[in-house]
Amino acid sequence: KAGVTQTPRYLIKTRGQQVTLSCSPISGHRSVSWYQQTPGQGLQFLFEYFSETQRNKGNFPGRFSGRQFSNSRSEMNVSTLELGDSALYLCASSLVEPSTDTQYFGPGTRLTVL
Amino acid sequence: EDQVTQSPEALRLQEGESSSLNCSYTVSGLRGLFWYRQDPGKGPEFLFTLYSAGEEKEKERLKATLTKKESFLHITAPKPEDSATYLCAVQRGSNYKLTFGKGTLLTVNP
Repeated sequence: KAGVTQTPRYLIKTRGQQVTLSCSPISGHRSVSWYQQTPGQGLQFLFEYFSETQRNKGNFPGRFSGRQFSNSRSEMNVSTLELGDSALYLCASSLVEPSTDTQYFGPGTRLTVL
Repeated sequence: EDQVTQSPEALRLQEGESSSLNCSYTVSGLRGLFWYRQDPGKGPEFLFTLYSAGEEKEKERLKATLTKKESFLHITAPKPEDSATYLCAVQRGSNYKLTFGKGTLLTVNP
């Protein structure tokens, strides 16, 4: 069974631009969570989606948003990019409930903001 | 607020030299404690989930244990391919998110 896939793998943007990252969960998984990983803060939770609904959100500004489609694929968007948004963005999928099922991570999208 | 502290930050071992990594946590209503392994440039790879104090799980050279305040990841006779960052995370009963520690960077020299 194929794992979680994320596209693109690498992105370079400049301050003020916006970016959209994509995540395809493991087949049959319906929950998708997003995390930001930086050397200073480690892995931090952004938000989680199930059946196209955001169920939980972390402590990030409104510039970070996401959505989930009917096929469980998810996208996250970051508007008005800042230098501090440079990070590895990780997507994780779980079968139904992240609170009961293991979360499996994709390879991540490395975003560099110049 | 949930907190996870991992120690040491970095550990260098010789091949075959067993050791343990520590994960101390503070969480109200622990549902599960998770161990992941992360290689450079890759996403975290799931290793174990522990649900209650006293529980132990093993996989090859790795063994994870859990108490009410901390978890240990024991590495027996490590090999160079065990070199990676090991991440510990906790999940509260009513929450969906994982709260991660900063990780332990393990290097195993041949």
